[in-house]
Amino acid sequence: GQQLNQSPQSMFIQEGEDVSMNCTSSSIFNTWLWYKQDPGEGPVLLIALYKAGELTSNGRLTAQFGTTRKDSFLNISASIPSDVGIYFCVGGSNYKLTFGKGTLLTVNP
Amino acid sequence: EAGVTQFPSHSVIEKGQTVTLRCDPISGHDNLYWYRRVMGKEIKFLLHFVKESKQDESGMPNNRFLAERTGGTYSTLKVQPAELEDSGVYFCASSQSFGDTNYGYTFGSGTRLTVV
Repeated sequence: GQQLNQSPQSMFIQEGEDVSMNCTSSSIFNTWLWYKQDPGEGPVLLIALYKAGELTSNGRLTAQFGTTRKDSFLNISASIPSDVGIYFCVGGSNYKLTFGKGTLLTVNP
Repeated sequence: EAGVTQFPSHSVIEKGQTVTLRCDPISGHDNLYWYRRVMGKEIKFLLHFVKESKQDESGMPNNRFLAERTGGTYSTLKVQPAELEDSGVYFCASSQSFGDTNYGYTFGSGTRLTVV
């Protein structure tokens, strides 16, 4: 089946630092998405990317859909304590979501 | 609007018992999805309802799992009999039909199932 390789698995950063995480796949996806999960909650959509090469921002978050449709990165600038959580890259195809394993982000105040 | 609601939030059952999870989607959302995350693994797709019909159940692990959505409103996912490897977090999500291609799914908080 389709698999996404997400890295890094975890990150420990200081408040104010920038952070970057990325995802690759052996399969092509129609849509790439980035979700965030807070403890005890379900995943929440952060950014959706629909076109190869697309670069999209949402506040301090920036994500890009790779030109081959097989990769994506997410950047968070000027991190704050509430950025802590698990970030998932997700490939979308035929109404079905394929999740990466997630990146656990810890922000030290 | 109310979000996607899942009951119970936690369930601990013994191997061999039956458990039924419930999901109430956002009102008016025709599409309902079940996903689960077992320990150390990715969140994986189980199945997709469009109203009361099963659109795709390719992710259901075996015939011990039965999902229903009578009347096209809430959905239940029954595991009978439960096995140890069924432990994990079961998520439900919903979306409006015209928004599907945007993948703007709203997820519930999940049901944490522990089989002992």
